[in-house]
Amino acid sequence: RKEVEQDPGPFNVPEGATVAFNCTYSNSASQSFFWYRQDCRKEPKLLMSVYSSGNEDGRFTAQLNRASQYISLLIRDSKLSDSATYLCVVLSGSARQLTFGSGTQLTVLP
Amino acid sequence: DAGVIQSPRHEVTEMGQEVTLRCKPISGHNSLFWYRQTMMRGLELLIYFNNNVPIDDSGMPEDRFSAKMPNASFSTLKIQPSEPRDSAVYFCASGPGGGREQYFGPGTRLTVT
Repeated sequence: RKEVEQDPGPFNVPEGATVAFNCTYSNSASQSFFWYRQDCRKEPKLLMSVYSSGNEDGRFTAQLNRASQYISLLIRDSKLSDSATYLCVVLSGSARQLTFGSGTQLTVLP
Repeated sequence: DAGVIQSPRHEVTEMGQEVTLRCKPISGHNSLFWYRQTMMRGLELLIYFNNNVPIDDSGMPEDRFSAKMPNASFSTLKIQPSEPRDSAVYFCASGPGGGREQYFGPGTRLTVT
């Protein structure tokens, strides 16, 4: 079983739609959680951290369920510029390494 | 402010040749990471340095790969000899510590023929 699993997609949604991505992780001792965004042929960039209480940044909402070892990202009112691959990332281990999911590809259509 | 700098951006080499990838982390960051990304395997951590010391190299695929960080502002990843299966994008990332935040460089796209 992979440490971090994501639905690879692709998700093709119209502009203005709401879209949700899910992610599960296997290490119950994982400490911190993040969503990164990677545009085509570019480097990954931190989108937002994920907190147990849930957190929001504009149109983006992240949720964490430690009991189910489940992380989600909700994008409201999607824009063309949201088209990218979204990587679920988990921080765990004594070396405090990030483990990246394989990513979910999103295309927002005009 | 300059981000993480990697060179070269693209490298095409023949099987058996030595390849050296270079990275300059963001000034003040004390953690440095080397990753490899392929379509098949996604993003894989190769090695992690903290304060210039290698902390975890368990992700280094084999002895052909080696990484050094002689000082806080420079790191190299070397592949010798290179093989076609090493073809990938290699990213360097740095962070202020502990891996919580990582800032990635633009990557080096390596093709081994």
